[in-house]
Amino acid sequence: GQNIDQPTEMTATEGAIVQINCTYQTSGFNGLFWYQQHAGEAPTFLSYNVLDGLEEKGRFSSFLSRSKGYSYLLLKELQMKDSASYLCAVMDSNYQLIWGAGTKLIIKP
Amino acid sequence: DGGITQSPKYLFRKEGQNVTLSCEQNLNHDAMYWYRQDPGQGLRLIYYSQIVNDFQKGDIAEGYSVSREKKESFPLTVTSAQKNPTAFYLCASKVGSGETGELFFGEGSRLTVL
Repeated sequence: GQNIDQPTEMTATEGAIVQINCTYQTSGFNGLFWYQQHAGEAPTFLSYNVLDGLEEKGRFSSFLSRSKGYSYLLLKELQMKDSASYLCAVMDSNYQLIWGAGTKLIIKP
Repeated sequence: DGGITQSPKYLFRKEGQNVTLSCEQNLNHDAMYWYRQDPGQGLRLIYYSQIVNDFQKGDIAEGYSVSREKKESFPLTVTSAQKNPTAFYLCASKVGSGETGELFFGEGSRLTVL
């Protein structure tokens, strides 16, 4: 079956760095997405990786290893507004997204 | 501005009633999707449409129905056959179903069954 695993909840301190991991097993692979979702709101796109390596976008970076079925989202210089859920999703061979349950990130002052 | 508009944002339904959630996009996207989100679970696909007048069942289509009469519109009806409809419903679109592009989401509709 298809499966996406990510931690349920993480806590970090304002100004620090946090890494949110995602492992996956899917039927085919057409890329991995990270979305941010604030409570009660819609997800917003953060990043897309289809090749191995690190993609950097401001304070956020995303890494992919296709051979290991593994990705992480790295958030630097954490701000209180980064408190949200972070959703990992893999696009399978049919171009359908398979979603993880999301990681709730709590930022403490 | 281009985007996806869902309405209503909050909806209350009595048991046995059908309700319809609206989703309109002006992004000129071919593909549109309906997802359901429950606490502690990933987004689950209800229905999707790749083109006007065509739609496909997702993983949890039972108790739901859709139509795609216009490119811009993809309404979702939650019927009385859906046994546990209380959830957060998200409509999304992208350029094409066979594309690797990102999904754009509406703001969501929260349905509560009384």
